[in-house]
Amino acid sequence: AQKITQTQPGMFVQEKEAVTLDCTYDTSDPSYGLFWYKQPSSGEMIFLIYQGSYDQQNATEGRYSLNFQKARKSANLVISASQLGDSAMYFCAMRKAAGNKLTFGGGTRVLVKP
Amino acid sequence: SQTIHQWPATLVQPVGSPLSLECTVEGTSNPNLYWYRQAAGRGLQLLFYSVGIGQISSEVPQNLSASRPQDRQFILSSKKLLLSDSGFYLCAWSEFWDRDTEAFFGQGTRLTVV
Repeated sequence: AQKITQTQPGMFVQEKEAVTLDCTYDTSDPSYGLFWYKQPSSGEMIFLIYQGSYDQQNATEGRYSLNFQKARKSANLVISASQLGDSAMYFCAMRKAAGNKLTFGGGTRVLVKP
Repeated sequence: SQTIHQWPATLVQPVGSPLSLECTVEGTSNPNLYWYRQAAGRGLQLLFYSVGIGQISSEVPQNLSASRPQDRQFILSSKKLLLSDSGFYLCAWSEFWDRDTEAFFGQGTRLTVV
């Protein structure tokens, strides 16, 4: 069974600093995809970044980068130069390439301080 | 372009009343469809997913059911709501299973059972 763990329930970060959000996963499948979503207080789910299990390089999307360590089964999200608008819940998710379920972790709440 | 519509946005229902939440997707065919529930300040729990018309997989035993009467329509139902059914319900879609594409979410329905 797939399992996603986000050990940080909440964290503060100073504006303009970088923050790392932890995500570990458990799967026996060799092929899978990892996703990060942002959920502001409005409730919408915003896709941020994707990493495939066979990708050789870590994914980057603007200020977001994914620190993918396959052997350790971790896929940490790094947000550089934090902005006040980054305050939100962040969810890590996994989907098997040959499966249909998209499973989410418990989320991490980030509050950016001015 | 693809869009996903979910309604209503908010709903207050008495205990024991029926429920019907509807989700439709436009601009794609044969999507994977998902229903998630999110308790306040918590992660997303996968309730149901569907890979085709009439094909429903249930992830957790519960008071709810799902149906997919048409290719791009996904309905979440209950015959008698419980207080514990309160939460934020999100519908999502993704492309067919053999592609690692992200899931796209509706705006969500905030259900309060009183």
